[in-house]
Amino acid sequence: SAVISQKPSRDICQRGTSLTIQCQVDSQVTMMFWYRQQPGQSLTLIATANQGSEATYESGFVIDKFPISRPNLTFSTLTVSNMSPEDSSIYLCSVGRDTLGYGYTFGSGTRLTVV
Amino acid sequence: RKEVEQDPGPFNVPEGATVAFNCTYSNSASQSFFWYRQDCRKEPKLLMSVYSSGNEDGRFTAQLNRASQYISLLIRDSKLSDSATYLCVVNYGQNFVFGPGTRLSVLP
Repeated sequence: SAVISQKPSRDICQRGTSLTIQCQVDSQVTMMFWYRQQPGQSLTLIATANQGSEATYESGFVIDKFPISRPNLTFSTLTVSNMSPEDSSIYLCSVGRDTLGYGYTFGSGTRLTVV
Repeated sequence: RKEVEQDPGPFNVPEGATVAFNCTYSNSASQSFFWYRQDCRKEPKLLMSVYSSGNEDGRFTAQLNRASQYISLLIRDSKLSDSATYLCVVNYGQNFVFGPGTRLSVLP
């Protein structure tokens, strides 16, 4: 399975600022996924990032709040913009094989606290 | 109704016990099924895929019942290191939907 390097691992940010999270994969992948895991909750998909096209956002998530870049097949960034305390969460990137039946691998996550 | 539902837990069991987790899903078009394990403050990691014929990996057995839209995970001879949250995951095309997770604590 792919090896994913995600950073930063954690950050404490002031409300109103933005944070960009980076995800680097050791192999080329068609799709990368960004998830949010709020305290005590399971994972919620934010968006799917495809190389060469705009990201596809899930209901409740918008590009202005969570802009995503996907400049090549091994890298993606997620920005959490104009942060508020409600954005405090763990953010995870994920990649997987396109063939059905194979699970996805996750980055180690970014633990964000907004104060 | 949520897309993927799991036993709410937590499950507190003694070492050596057998424990079973249940998961139900609402979308009959679901194609792939997985169990993930998430340790505290860590990312989820794939535990095993779940096949229609059922599959076993050491002390872990997964079962799928498509007619009932039900998935299970059985852990035999539980170890302290099995303590974690177990996430049921259902795949619809390119989308993975995570269940809320069931927390397991194995006690000495």
